[in-house]
Amino acid sequence: GEDVEQSLFLSVREGDSSVINCTYTDSSSTYLYWYKQEPGAGLQLLTYIFSNMDMKQDQRLTVLLNKKDKHLSLRIADTQTGDSAIYFCALAGGTSYGKLTFGQGTILTVHP
Amino acid sequence: NAGVTQTPKFRVLKTGQSMTLLCAQDMNHEYMYWYRQDPGMGLRLIHYSVGEGTTAKGEVPDGYNVSRLKKQNFLLGLESAAPSQTSVYFCASSRQGPYEQYFGPGTRLTVT
Repeated sequence: GEDVEQSLFLSVREGDSSVINCTYTDSSSTYLYWYKQEPGAGLQLLTYIFSNMDMKQDQRLTVLLNKKDKHLSLRIADTQTGDSAIYFCALAGGTSYGKLTFGQGTILTVHP
Repeated sequence: NAGVTQTPKFRVLKTGQSMTLLCAQDMNHEYMYWYRQDPGMGLRLIHYSVGEGTTAKGEVPDGYNVSRLKKQNFLLGLESAAPSQTSVYFCASSRQGPYEQYFGPGTRLTVT
């Protein structure tokens, strides 16, 4: 099955950029998502990218997709304390059509 | 428009007891999903449904049953709870797979 890997922790200072990385094994995934989970809450979709795109920008968020290396990243510019949360990458399509396969999540901590 | 709601929010069970978690969505979505979230393991799919009257097994289905008698509701049952089922359970829905999934707020279940 699909394997999706993320590093577990990231700590940044307020105002810096954050980069959260995700690697995966199924190259046939067609949709790649980033979800955010705040403490005690469900998951909220932040942004997504189609597999035929290399980059997508949405305000402070930039998603980069390197299909050759099967690497997805989420960059948050000007990180704020309100960005502290768990960030999950999730893949859909390909061999897991109709279902999302999630990474373990990256806990982002933003220090003042 | 409430989105995806889950009942109850918290529950404590003794080993061997049974219970049903209810998920409801008001977005007329075809697909519904049940996940469990455990620390450091991301979200794992338990069961899912691609339409009213259908169910299918996900990644970790053992010990759980589901039913989708009405399009808007997806029930998750535990017939004989075990401590290994202590987790946070999330329900999600989407208009089709593999499009964006909308998540409920979660149910925190503790089995003692």
